[in-house]
Amino acid sequence: SQTIHQWPATLVQPVGSPLSLECTVEGTSNPNLYWYRQAAGRGLQLLFYSVGIGQISSEVPQNLSASRPQDRQFILSSKKLLLSDSGFYLCAWSPWAGDQPQHFGDGTRLSIL
Amino acid sequence: KQEVTQIPAALSVPEGENLVLNCSFTDSAIYNLQWFRQDPGKGLTSLLLIQSSQREQTSGRLNASLDKSSGRSTLYIAASQPGDSATYLCAVPGANNLFFGTGTRLTVIP
Repeated sequence: SQTIHQWPATLVQPVGSPLSLECTVEGTSNPNLYWYRQAAGRGLQLLFYSVGIGQISSEVPQNLSASRPQDRQFILSSKKLLLSDSGFYLCAWSPWAGDQPQHFGDGTRLSIL
Repeated sequence: KQEVTQIPAALSVPEGENLVLNCSFTDSAIYNLQWFRQDPGKGLTSLLLIQSSQREQTSGRLNASLDKSSGRSTLYIAASQPGDSATYLCAVPGANNLFFGTGTRLTVIP
């Protein structure tokens, strides 16, 4: 069966510090991978998606970047965090076929001080 | 752009009651709709996925319906239990992502 792992679960960082969140998927090949952010009182917003190694698409302009160095690894990064980057970050995957469900990780709670 | 709305935003019911959660979407050209559950501070768990060719999908005490023409879906929970307390989200697919509603926070009171 397929599983998705995100870490860390919780992170507290000062403004201006770098960020690296990691997501890995097991039990499948060539998944579509996604990073979402869920801000307090708001719905989930898609940040990035990837259909393959090195292929990253950004949905909204922001202070963050994403990379996919391996087929089942998706990384969310920032060089300098802003207060507005606080939120709950969720990684998700879906089979390459577009009409299949998305499966989510347990999320990372990011607090910027 | 697709917009997804969920009503009510919050709902409290006594244990054992049947309840209905509502989801509406503005663009009816969808090929499926997915219902998720989110526990506090946790990720999303997929509950049901209804293909556009289906009208209903059932899993245990959960029943989801889809009316594409009116842009609506409902999630029916039978004989609610305290363990059902969570936020329920519906989502419809876009070109490369899912459009989510803001969810209904359900509390089942023992």
